[in-house]
Amino acid sequence: QKEVEQNSGPLSVPEGAIASLNCTYSDRGSQSFFWYRQYSGKSPELIMFIYSNGDKEDGRFTAQLNKASQYVSLLIRDSQPSDSATYLCAVNGDSSYKLIFGSGTRLLVRP
Amino acid sequence: SAVISQKPSRDICQRGTSLTIQCQVDSQVTMMFWYRQQPGQSLTLIATANQGSEATYESGFVIDKFPISRPNLTFSTLTVSNMSPEDSSIYLCSVQGLAGGPPYNEQFFGPGTRLTVL
Repeated sequence: QKEVEQNSGPLSVPEGAIASLNCTYSDRGSQSFFWYRQYSGKSPELIMFIYSNGDKEDGRFTAQLNKASQYVSLLIRDSQPSDSATYLCAVNGDSSYKLIFGSGTRLLVRP
Repeated sequence: SAVISQKPSRDICQRGTSLTIQCQVDSQVTMMFWYRQQPGQSLTLIATANQGSEATYESGFVIDKFPISRPNLTFSTLTVSNMSPEDSSIYLCSVQGLAGGPPYNEQFFGPGTRLTVL
C-alpha cells in the first residue's frame, strides 16, 4: 500500500514567519511530487510541483525534494493570513497519472 | 491550465436515488479523473474516465455504484447510484494533459460537487 504521510496540524505561525510543511512517502519509485492548497469549502489548487532532487522556488514558495530520504517539503516565506488553508501533498509513482494524496496539514497564520 | 466546470455545485438527495454529476473542460484533455473527499478527509481516487471505453476503477469502487461516461475529450459524467448517507461527500473531477500537447503530470481540479444524502 503506497502511502503519503503528513502531520495534520494545525501548524500555527505568526504573520511574516516562514511556514514549513513536510511530507513523507513510502514508494521509492515515486517520480513526481505536488503541493495543493485547499481553502475551506473550495477545491484543491495546485501551487507547486517538483520532479528533481533539490529546491524549486516560485515566489514565496519553495518546494524541497530529497528522494533518498523519501521526503518532500514546502516552505512559505513571509506567511500571510491569506495563506491559512490546508496543504495537501500528492505523489505519483510507477503510474504516471495516479495521484496519492496525504491527509493534509492545516496551516494557520496569525495576524 | 484548462477551465473546468462541474454541475451541480451542490445537491441534497434522498436515500435510494441517483445523481449524475457533469464535468466540462474548455480544452481537449488527455486524462480525466473522479475523486471523492469525505468530510474532514483527504482525496480518494474513484476512477479514471477513459474516452470511448469503460472507466478504470480503484479498489473499493465499482461500476454499478459509480458509473462513469466520457464521450469525448472535454466532458465526463459520474453517477452516484442508489445513494445512502455514507455517500455524502464532495465529488471532484480533475484533468491532466492537453490533447496533442506535451505530456505533463500536473492535475487540475474542478470546483467540486457537494452532495448530501438524507
